[in-house]
Amino acid sequence: DIQMTQSPHSLSASLGETVSIECLASEGISNYLAWYQQKPGKSPQLLIYYASSLQDGVPSRFSGSGSGTQYSLKISNMQPEDEGVYYCQQGYKYPRTFGGGTKLELK
Amino acid sequence: EVQLQQSGPELQRPGASVKLSCKASGYTFTEYYMYWVKQRPKQGLELIGRIDPEDCSTDYVEKFKNKATLTADTSSNTAYMQLSSLTSEDTATYFCATYDRGFAYWGQGTLVTVSS
Repeated sequence: DIQMTQSPHSLSASLGETVSIECLASEGISNYLAWYQQKPGKSPQLLIYYASSLQDGVPSRFSGSGSGTQYSLKISNMQPEDEGVYYCQQGYKYPRTFGGGTKLELK
Repeated sequence: EVQLQQSGPELQRPGASVKLSCKASGYTFTEYYMYWVKQRPKQGLELIGRIDPEDCSTDYVEKFKNKATLTADTSSNTAYMQLSSLTSEDTATYFCATYDRGFAYWGQGTLVTVSS
């Protein structure tokens, strides 16, 4: 199975700050990489697919980039509603595997 | 509007089995695999497996092969997951979700608590 490693495990950001979360795949995944946001007690929400495509309805301050084995999620202009846990997930091979998650808090 | 409506919370004794449901609406049920994902308290997301409602073929992640059984009923557009021989390690929220370029649609989750 493809292993997905996220970093950092947690971070805090001030209002308006830009943050980045990294995701490393154990082998190349050809941009089949998705990002999710999960808030307490809620289901995950798809933010980004194919590494950089924004899901409908997701604010443009979210962006994704990367290739090969290394990917990142950038959140510009941090807002209070961006607090939550973020997961990456590879869709290149079955089983579709998730990263361990990154907890983002407002400083 | 695509909706996945999951069954309510369960409290089960160790050694028991439980069957969870996920009723789909707003799309053609047989068009997408239905996936099941486990999330233990304060932990990450873990794929259990998937079922193709078209022919009820299944794929399980190795560690769940003797734990979960996935089925689907096209007459009611409902997917099911049975968990057997429950232990405290099975205490978790279980989500159903469909996959199209990513897990775009999720159920609200079913909390299963295993306790004596």
